[in-house]
Amino acid sequence: ETGVTQTPRHLVMGMTNKKSLKCEQHLGHNAMYWYKQSAKKPLELMFVYNFKEQTENNSVPSRFSPECPNSSHLFLHLHTLQPEDSALYLCASGKIEVYNEQFFGPGTRLTVL
Amino acid sequence: GQNIDQPTEMTATEGAIVQINCTYQTSGFNGLFWYQQHAGEAPTFLSYNVLDGLEEKGRFSSFLSRSKGYSYLLLKELQMKDSASYLCAVGDSNYQLIWGAGTKLIIKP
Repeated sequence: ETGVTQTPRHLVMGMTNKKSLKCEQHLGHNAMYWYKQSAKKPLELMFVYNFKEQTENNSVPSRFSPECPNSSHLFLHLHTLQPEDSALYLCASGKIEVYNEQFFGPGTRLTVL
Repeated sequence: GQNIDQPTEMTATEGAIVQINCTYQTSGFNGLFWYQQHAGEAPTFLSYNVLDGLEEKGRFSSFLSRSKGYSYLLLKELQMKDSASYLCAVGDSNYQLIWGAGTKLIIKP
């Protein structure tokens, strides 16, 4: 149990669907992250939230829309995705004051048909 | 540009020692991290080096040379459960992590 949970664990969606990924952390952290992990590629940082404020958006297409209602919850809203968006989406959390560790959730395996 | 290089795949024998290398070129340096990721699972933190030298933690050790932009993860007394991907990441000047693609380690009996 890492203290960071993600749902769903697996998701298959068509290009016209709208879905949301959810992340929840029970560690009292104040920073949360969305990463994309594709096969044999480095982890790609997508979004960063510090104290619920988005501080980073690494040129992510607008078909990905993050939401952070509080410091424990993070969502990634998906719409009109492309097949190349199929990947493992990982959520992580950490303490801004203690920079040197991020705790990851188990990820959502997304397949876009 | 920013770049983290590590071998794609390595094979080692149970009980042996293996060294996984990582070289980096980043804008700024705020520490180097090693994470372990078993297939289908979340990455888990192994080590953090910010000063030159060797950090030992049980069977795992991590080394850093900032002048050479180089690190390695040393795994001793390999066990079958060590079969996993090992991810190298560097904190850049904005304290964001830049990740390597990971090294898949295969342990054979």
